[in-house]
Amino acid sequence: GIQVEQSPPDLILQEGANSTLRCNFSDSVNNLQWFHQNPWGQLINLFYIPSGTKQNGRLSATTVATERYSLLYISSSQTTDSGVYFCAVADTGTASKLTFGTGTRLQVTL
Amino acid sequence: DGGITQSPKYLFRKEGQNVTLSCEQNLNHDAMYWYRQDPGQGLRLIYYSQIVNDFQKGDIAEGYSVSREKKESFPLTVTSAQKNPTAFYLCASRPSGGGSDTQYFGPGTRLTVL
Repeated sequence: GIQVEQSPPDLILQEGANSTLRCNFSDSVNNLQWFHQNPWGQLINLFYIPSGTKQNGRLSATTVATERYSLLYISSSQTTDSGVYFCAVADTGTASKLTFGTGTRLQVTL
Repeated sequence: DGGITQSPKYLFRKEGQNVTLSCEQNLNHDAMYWYRQDPGQGLRLIYYSQIVNDFQKGDIAEGYSVSREKKESFPLTVTSAQKNPTAFYLCASRPSGGGSDTQYFGPGTRLTVL
């Protein structure tokens, strides 16, 4: 099956700093989502981005499907950004079964 | 409010017991999914259903069963055959068509086997 690797596994930032999270995947995809998992376990949709670039406030994401990677940018980080960020992909079948990476654990400190 | 609800939030089970986790959605989504998350790991797919009265095994279906008798509901039963059921269980749903395959997740159920 498709493999998903995320880097870095852990990241500590001071409030106000910027960061880039990376997701590499091993095969063609028709679905790529970025999620933020908060301390209570809730998965929050950040982006649906199988290709191209999107922005939402301080967050933006870019997927280069031909090179099989996606990047999540967090600018001017805040303590509320802390948590685990997951990248998940689905291959070109129709069921959109997601395969998750192991996540990047982000801690934003004052 | 529209959304996905899961109950209970916490569940404790004795070894040898079957338990059923509830997942309900009022988003009118056709597809529904069950995932399992172990500490420090990503999510893994247990079962999925693309339409009422039909469901398929995911990557780790052994020891689990599901039903899809109604569009809004996709309950998961963790049977005594599941060797290591302690985990965080998340349900998701997805609309069909519309050009987006975005999956939306419920708040999860934490299952602990005593």
